[in-house]
Amino acid sequence: QKEVEQNSGPLSVPEGAIASLNCTYSDRGSQSFFWYRQYSGKSPELIMFIYSNGDKEDGRFTAQLNKASQYVSLLIRDSQPSDSATYLCAVLPLSGGGSYIPTFGRGTSLIVHP
Amino acid sequence: DTEVTQTPKHLVMGMTNKKSLKCEQHMGHRAMYWYKQKAKKPPELMFVYSYEKLSINESVPSRFSPECPNSSLLNLHLHALQPEDSALYLCASSQVLGETQYFGPGTRLLVL
Repeated sequence: QKEVEQNSGPLSVPEGAIASLNCTYSDRGSQSFFWYRQYSGKSPELIMFIYSNGDKEDGRFTAQLNKASQYVSLLIRDSQPSDSATYLCAVLPLSGGGSYIPTFGRGTSLIVHP
Repeated sequence: DTEVTQTPKHLVMGMTNKKSLKCEQHMGHRAMYWYKQKAKKPPELMFVYSYEKLSINESVPSRFSPECPNSSLLNLHLHALQPEDSALYLCASSQVLGETQYFGPGTRLLVL
């Protein structure tokens, strides 16, 4: 059973702070990792994906992957109230492993207060 | 362009109705997916099409019937639904299976 764990939150941070969202996964063979942002009542929107160990930066967002420890995180710098949403972590297994479907975590609710 | 479109945005139907949800993408993606999402839960996979062929059916009740008429279009036919089927229905597509998925805006379904 492949599992992806996220703290459901809510994670509350003040405007301008760094928000740190974490995700752990059970399948050591996982290869691709995705962060989606989902506003209430809306569909998931891709924020970032990461395949290699280390950091990947895109604007105010940084994804961090540590395959040895089986976690992936998302940092949001200079958090804005508009960042308030649920952040879904999704993990894809190694291609050819029998499943090409990502496993989603339950999501972390982020609240950025002014 | 990473746009997936879905129609309708909202749908209210009775338990005896027949309706269809439509999903379209023009990115040349060859994998398309239907998900169901309840409030405060992650998306739950229903069906996967790869190169217009049904690849995965996650033991979905037969009152949901998917169809992929061509590489750009995915339908979900609904018949004799139950109130517990009320949810956000999401379509997604990816270049091929195992690649990044892009979601459409969803159809909010209410079954009365």
